[in-house]
Amino acid sequence: AQKITQTQPGMFVQEKEAVTLDCTYDTSDPSYGLFWYKQPSSGEMIFLIYQGSYDQQNATEGRYSLNFQKARKSANLVISASQLGDSAMYFCAMREGQNGGYNKLIFGAGTRLAVHP
Amino acid sequence: DAGVIQSPRHEVTEMGQEVTLRCKPISGHNSLFWYRQTMMRGLELLIYFNNNVPIDDSGMPEDRFSAKMPNASFSTLKIQPSEPRDSAVYFCASSLLQRDYGYTFGSGTRLTVV
Repeated sequence: AQKITQTQPGMFVQEKEAVTLDCTYDTSDPSYGLFWYKQPSSGEMIFLIYQGSYDQQNATEGRYSLNFQKARKSANLVISASQLGDSAMYFCAMREGQNGGYNKLIFGAGTRLAVHP
Repeated sequence: DAGVIQSPRHEVTEMGQEVTLRCKPISGHNSLFWYRQTMMRGLELLIYFNNNVPIDDSGMPEDRFSAKMPNASFSTLKIQPSEPRDSAVYFCASSLLQRDYGYTFGSGTRLTVV
């Protein structure tokens, strides 16, 4: 069963506008972590933002914020004031369970974002 | 902090040959992950280790794949014999067990099997 679902294979946004990348997840574990990574054309995986399942507030890191809706099991990434350098592949990931040292990190299929001038 | 170091960056080999990919995790990290990335299957977790012990190898595609972590500072992923469908980018990542910050990826090894 798909644990991380990113339904948008590709997205376009105008420079300086905001964009939301969708992510839904499926887990029965009460303790989990949600991550977003950026992969530019150069290929490296760059960590952007993290949200813990027990965190009361939505995570923010500069222009990145995570819209965490626990009941809906969604963890959407919001990028404000898009820049040309934001054009990349974006992956949502989930870490399940810390008990017993179980800390598997699994990824969604990704969303390719293109920022237009 | 040198980050997660993978070698080689690129590998081209002939079908049937043995391929060994190497990874040095961040010093102090005690979890290590091997991923494979392809266009068709995305990012797949192949195997991961906690404190040098393999925890979950359910993602290893077949017996041709094997991974070892002889000590806290080194891991290998071996493919023997290699096949063209093994062509992919292989990433190594490391993290601190019990901490969600610090899942850090290496630059990857681009493997081409001809």
